Amino acid sequence: DTAVSQTPKYLVTQMGNDKSIKCEQNLGHDTMYWYKQDSKKFLKIMFSYNNKELIINETVPNRFSPKSPDKAHLNLHINSLELGDSAVYFCASSQDRPLGNEAFFGQGTRLTVV
Amino acid sequence: GENVEQHPSTLSVQEGDSAVIKCTYSDSASNYFPWYKQELGKRPQLIIDIRSNVGEKKDQRIAVTLNKTAKHFSLHITETQPEDSAVYFCAALNAGRGSTLGRLYFGRGTQLTVWP
Repeated sequence: DTAVSQTPKYLVTQMGNDKSIKCEQNLGHDTMYWYKQDSKKFLKIMFSYNNKELIINETVPNRFSPKSPDKAHLNLHINSLELGDSAVYFCASSQDRPLGNEAFFGQGTRLTVV
Repeated sequence: GENVEQHPSTLSVQEGDSAVIKCTYSDSASNYFPWYKQELGKRPQLIIDIRSNVGEKKDQRIAVTLNKTAKHFSLHITETQPEDSAVYFCAALNAGRGSTLGRLYFGRGTQLTVWP
C-alpha cells in the first residue's frame, strides 16, 4: 500500500534514447510534482500539476514532457537523453490546503545516461 | 517565485551536541515552512513543519523557530545521534490558492554528519 510509487527504480540508457518514468499516488492528493536531484543533492522542481492541469514548468528543456492522464498519475517522458540528464528523479504529491500540507515522495528513479 | 536560502551546506557535530540549520525566504506571503530529512539512498520525508501563525514548534529532540519579520526559520536538533546523519531540506510555501498553488521550493540542503 505504497503511497507514492514510481517506476522504474533504476534506469540506465544510452544518449539519444527516449525513456519514461511513471508515477502513481493512492492518497487522493490533487497536486503532483517532479523534482530532479543532482549529485549535489539539490532538489530542483521541474513540474507541478494540480488536478491534471500544469501549474509549474521551471525552465525545463522541451525534451521533458510530463503527462497526467488523471490526478493520481503523473508520468515523465524524456526525449533524446543527454549525459546531463543523469540524476535521481523524484515524484511527489500533496493535498493543497490553505495552511499547507505534507508532500509525500516516491522512492526516486536513478537515471544514468551513458 | 519563492527563493529559499539554506545554511550551512555541511555541518559536522559530535554525538550529543546540538545542530542548527538556518533558512531565509523571500516571499513575505509564505505561510508554511516544512523541513524534510533525506537519508542516504532514500526519499525525503517530512520531519516537522511550522505555519506562520506560530513562532516555535517542538517534537522531542527537534524544534523549529520562525521569525516572520526577518523572514527566516531554523531547525534545531538537540542531543544529536549518529542516526540523525542525513541531508536536511527546508522549504517555504505560500499555501494559499490561485497562482501560488503547487509552488513547493526547497533550500539547497544541509549535509549533517554526527560523529560517535
